[in-house]
Amino acid sequence: NAGVTQTPKFQVLKTGQSMTLQCAQDMNHEYMSWYRQDPGMGLRLIHYSVGAGITDQGEVPNGYNVSRSTTEDFPLRLLSAAPSQTSVYFCASSPGGSNTEAFFGQGTRLTVV
Amino acid sequence: KNQVEQSPQSLIILEGKNCTLQCNYTVSPFSNLRWYKQDTGRGPVSLTIMTFSENTKSNGRYTATLDADTKQSSLHITASQLSDSASYICVVSAFGSGTASKLTFGTGTRLQVTL
Repeated sequence: NAGVTQTPKFQVLKTGQSMTLQCAQDMNHEYMSWYRQDPGMGLRLIHYSVGAGITDQGEVPNGYNVSRSTTEDFPLRLLSAAPSQTSVYFCASSPGGSNTEAFFGQGTRLTVV
Repeated sequence: KNQVEQSPQSLIILEGKNCTLQCNYTVSPFSNLRWYKQDTGRGPVSLTIMTFSENTKSNGRYTATLDADTKQSSLHITASQLSDSASYICVVSAFGSGTASKLTFGTGTRLQVTL
């Protein structure tokens, strides 16, 4: 059981480049989300989805786009990378409902130069 | 604003010793409190989830407590092992709009267990 799989694990971008961080889960979870983790700060929600075809903004959505065409996949797109987007990105999934466990991927470490 | 504060920021203990990590929160309306373990370079892994009505929950050598009146939680680690070296993150869930609950993350306590 793979759980939540993120690719790539590491990425270096130049300012202005675009890219997509991939996230896939094989647990048939309805709820998926993207977070960024920065030094000295708690994880912050970028975007989330409560099911295929439904997405919404989190706390720090600017500069990122998401889509949810299938239950399994929830890609995160950086439109025009900026140094401020240097961070570690985590994708998470959960069955939905307020008391259900969230499962996290192993993270993507992104550096924008 | 919803906030979760953890203490201490970091902690070094000898293998075999016990330790307690603290979490204070101001999250409303409260749904549940979670403790996660995050190894270096990995994603967080859930240890416990406690709702308003639960005041103690154990997972092996990990025991979490919750005082919803004072909005405090603790994570007690018994007989520490080298593999316990990690960051421990307190996360509080608030009821959100629709079906999406909102998670507020603490900054974590970095625990190092040494010989």
